[in-house]
Amino acid sequence: GNSVTQMEGPVTLSEEAFLTINCTYTATGYPSLFWYVQYPGEGLQLLLKATKADDKGSNKGFEATYRKETTSFHLEKGSVQVSDSAVYFCAISSGSARQLTFGSGTQLTVLP
Amino acid sequence: EAQVTQNPRYLITVTGKKLTVTCSQNMNHEYMSWYRQDPGLGLRQIYYSMNVEVTDKGDVPEGYKVSRKEKRNFPLILESPSPNQTSLYFCASSVPDRKGYEQYFGPGTRLTVT
Repeated sequence: GNSVTQMEGPVTLSEEAFLTINCTYTATGYPSLFWYVQYPGEGLQLLLKATKADDKGSNKGFEATYRKETTSFHLEKGSVQVSDSAVYFCAISSGSARQLTFGSGTQLTVLP
Repeated sequence: EAQVTQNPRYLITVTGKKLTVTCSQNMNHEYMSWYRQDPGLGLRQIYYSMNVEVTDKGDVPEGYKVSRKEKRNFPLILESPSPNQTSLYFCASSVPDRKGYEQYFGPGTRLTVT
């Protein structure tokens, strides 16, 4: 079955620091890859996605590239803000059931 | 406003007392799903539905039931809740395209079973 391994948290950074959250996956077939973000007290929101190899998803200054050769989809941001404090989930989907398989989540705290 | 709603948002109950968590979406999505979120485990799928009257088990279906009698609603039923079902539950719905679809999540229901 599918699985997602995500960098353990929590991660604490100062404002304007560079962020990387690692994500690797195993999957049957050719999955689509996602990053979701969960702000305190809220549901998950799609942050970005990529559906084929070498695709780069981007949104709100965050980027992630679909690396099929290394089965990875690492999340990066060049300069984080306090408002980026949230839990970030890497997820993959494959097959007709549209089932999302999530990583365990990474708590990010950005200090002013 | 396009949204997924869940009720109640918070629920404290006792072991064995049947409960239902409702989920409704106003986006005419075919696909709906229930997840539970537990610390260190991420989100795990409980049940999903590809369309009206079509439901299937996810990764952790034991102790749960669902029904899909209308396209917009997908209630989660716990016939006899137990303390290990204490968790944060999310309902989600999805657009019907094939790949790279986005799932829209409700705000969550925090359930405590004592």
